[in-house]
Amino acid sequence: GESVGLHLPTLSVQEGDNSIINCAYSNSASDYFIWYKQESGKGPQFIIDIRSNMDKRQGQRVTVLLNKTVKHLSLQIAATQPGDSAVYFCADKTTGNQFYFGTGTSLTVIP
Amino acid sequence: GAVVSQHPSRVICKSGTSVKIECRSLDFQATTMFWYRQFPKQSLMLMATSNEGSKATYEQGVEKDKFLINHASLTLSTLTVTSAHPEDSSFYICSATPGTGLANYGYTFGSGTRLTVV
Repeated sequence: GESVGLHLPTLSVQEGDNSIINCAYSNSASDYFIWYKQESGKGPQFIIDIRSNMDKRQGQRVTVLLNKTVKHLSLQIAATQPGDSAVYFCADKTTGNQFYFGTGTSLTVIP
Repeated sequence: GAVVSQHPSRVICKSGTSVKIECRSLDFQATTMFWYRQFPKQSLMLMATSNEGSKATYEQGVEKDKFLINHASLTLSTLTVTSAHPEDSSFYICSATPGTGLANYGYTFGSGTRLTVV
């Protein structure tokens, strides 16, 4: 992910609406991507992953889309709920084991 | 599921002292553990990769003599912040994985340690 100490962008959505969170990565050799959710004062929690040989993966209420051409990843959350309020990060991995985190987006769900 | 325990969750120390943070994999053997640092409202920055039984690999710009990492067993890695200063105050998070070559890498994160240096 691209992360150079930038402050988090924010996204506010109405409860029940769909949310789309975007992420750009810089390394074309990245072969595995994960979306994490982080609540205040806690460590990141795994949401969904996708390998570079895929362009879409669906989970429960979440979908990840990968566009390798423009090095872009998105997380779609369907029917967003107040419990979805958190900071969301994408992380990418290349040939090593290390994951590098993107800037993150702070999602606020308005009841 | 895989659980990673991090201790302590919060620590306050005086400037000049050292602080040790522990990261344990509770129900799996972690060949590799990672240490991250996170400033308020910012992303996680990878500090170092720790492989059991060998020296840690530090990311560029991270002082290895400042942030000592030990991974002496397959279930425990420690990060020691030596001669801590207020600018070391941050949220430190570890993650662990059983290793490579798996269909699901299964990186699991600890709950983080809030370090405040006064």
